[in-house]
Amino acid sequence: KAGVTQTPRYLIKTRGQQVTLSCSPISGHRSVSWYQQTPGQGLQFLFEYFSETQRNKGNFPGRFSGRQFSNSRSEMNVSTLELGDSALYLCASISTRGLAGGRSSYEQYFGPGTRLTVT
Amino acid sequence: AQRVTQPEKLLSVFKGAPVELKCNYSYSGSPELFWYVQYSRQRLQLLLRHISRESIKGFTADLNKGETSFHLKKPFAQEEDSAMYYCALWDNQGGKLIFGQGTELSVKP
Repeated sequence: KAGVTQTPRYLIKTRGQQVTLSCSPISGHRSVSWYQQTPGQGLQFLFEYFSETQRNKGNFPGRFSGRQFSNSRSEMNVSTLELGDSALYLCASISTRGLAGGRSSYEQYFGPGTRLTVT
Repeated sequence: AQRVTQPEKLLSVFKGAPVELKCNYSYSGSPELFWYVQYSRQRLQLLLRHISRESIKGFTADLNKGETSFHLKKPFAQEEDSAMYYCALWDNQGGKLIFGQGTELSVKP
C-alpha cells in the first residue's frame, strides 16, 4: 500500500497570510489526525477527522481548522499566520482494529510532514 | 492529567552496549502505549506497541502498570539505531496520541 502523502513538503509564508496543507491517507483508512511538531512543544495534537466529521480537537486557537473529503483526503488551514506557527505539520492515517473486550486499538501511520516557515 | 514523560533528552552509548530509553506515563484508565522512531530526515514510524508484545529490530518494551512505565530496551545497540525515539499514549477519550518529548539516541562506533 502507498503510504501517507502530504503536500506541499515545504512552505514559506509571511505573517498574516493563510495557508492550506493537504494530506492523503493510506487507501482504506477513513480517519486522519493532524499534529504540530516544534522543538519547544514537541508533538501536539491538532484534530482528528473520521468520515468527513471532526471527532476530536486539540487545544489550538480557532485560526487552525481542517476538513475531510469523501475520499478521506484531508486539509488543514491556518489563517492569520504568526511566527509561532512555524513548525512541522504531520498528518497521520489511522488504522483501527477490534480487541477483546470491546476495545479498539488505533495505529497511526505518519506522513513525511509539511515544514511551514513563517517570516 | 494524561501525560507521558521521557526524562532523558539525549542518551549516548557505544555500539554493542545495552540501551534503555525511559518512559513513564500518567493515565486514568487502561493504557495503550507505543514507541515511535524518527530517523534523520525520515518520517515518524511506529516501532512497537505494548499490546503486540513483539520485538522489532531487537527492541522490546514491557508495560509495568505498577510503576506506570514503558521503557524501551535493546541488549546490544547498533549505529543504525541512532534516532529520535518517542513514547506515546493513546488517549481514548480525546481520540489522540499523547507524546513524550522524545529521547535522542546516539550510538557511537
